[in-house]
Amino acid sequence: EPEVTQTPSHQVTQMGQEVILRCVPISNHLYFYWYRQILGQKVEFLVSFYNNEISEKSEIFDDQFSVERPDGSNFTLKIRSTKLEDSAMYFCASRSQTSGPYEQYFGPGTRLTVT
Amino acid sequence: AQSVTQPDIHITVSEGASLELRCNYSYGATPYLFWYVQSPGQGLQLLLKYFSGDTLVQGIKGFEAEFKRSQSSFNLRKPSVHWSDAAEYFCAVGTSGTYKYIFGTGTRLKVLA
Repeated sequence: EPEVTQTPSHQVTQMGQEVILRCVPISNHLYFYWYRQILGQKVEFLVSFYNNEISEKSEIFDDQFSVERPDGSNFTLKIRSTKLEDSAMYFCASRSQTSGPYEQYFGPGTRLTVT
Repeated sequence: AQSVTQPDIHITVSEGASLELRCNYSYGATPYLFWYVQSPGQGLQLLLKYFSGDTLVQGIKGFEAEFKRSQSSFNLRKPSVHWSDAAEYFCAVGTSGTYKYIFGTGTRLKVLA
């Protein structure tokens, strides 16, 4: 069964460094999302992406964040200058136009630790 | 504003006992509702979903949920809990437009042997 994959599974970085989190969505999916979950808290929407554009972003998704689909398979989240409060689990999700109106498929997540 | 409320932060049940996890939503249009389970350090696994039709939906691992529009609820149930069900459970609503999900704060389930 196709699945969403994410790399790395765990990333440790120092405050102020740039990080890129990578996701490979399911191959025929067209809609892509990033969510984050701070330890012990709920999962929060960050950004949605369709047709090579951001379609919606949350208040969390400030200028430090960017997303890109650099090729036909990868979908990345970049944090330009990490802060301690960026430490969280980051989930990528994807959705097709035909898998049901709103069903998203989630990756296993990348745990980001900022020291 | 769109929101999902899970009133119970922690629930403890004995193995073999029945389980009900509560979820209430606030959403103006027809809601699309989901339950996910997350084991410690793991990702999100879809248990079940409601899009339309029969308001009682069956999911994996013996779980079911009932959509009640009049109560704006989508409670998750299981008749007999197993120790392996210990995890955190998230209710979510899928929104229109960009179809993002709004998650509840989660309910952590502990199962006593």
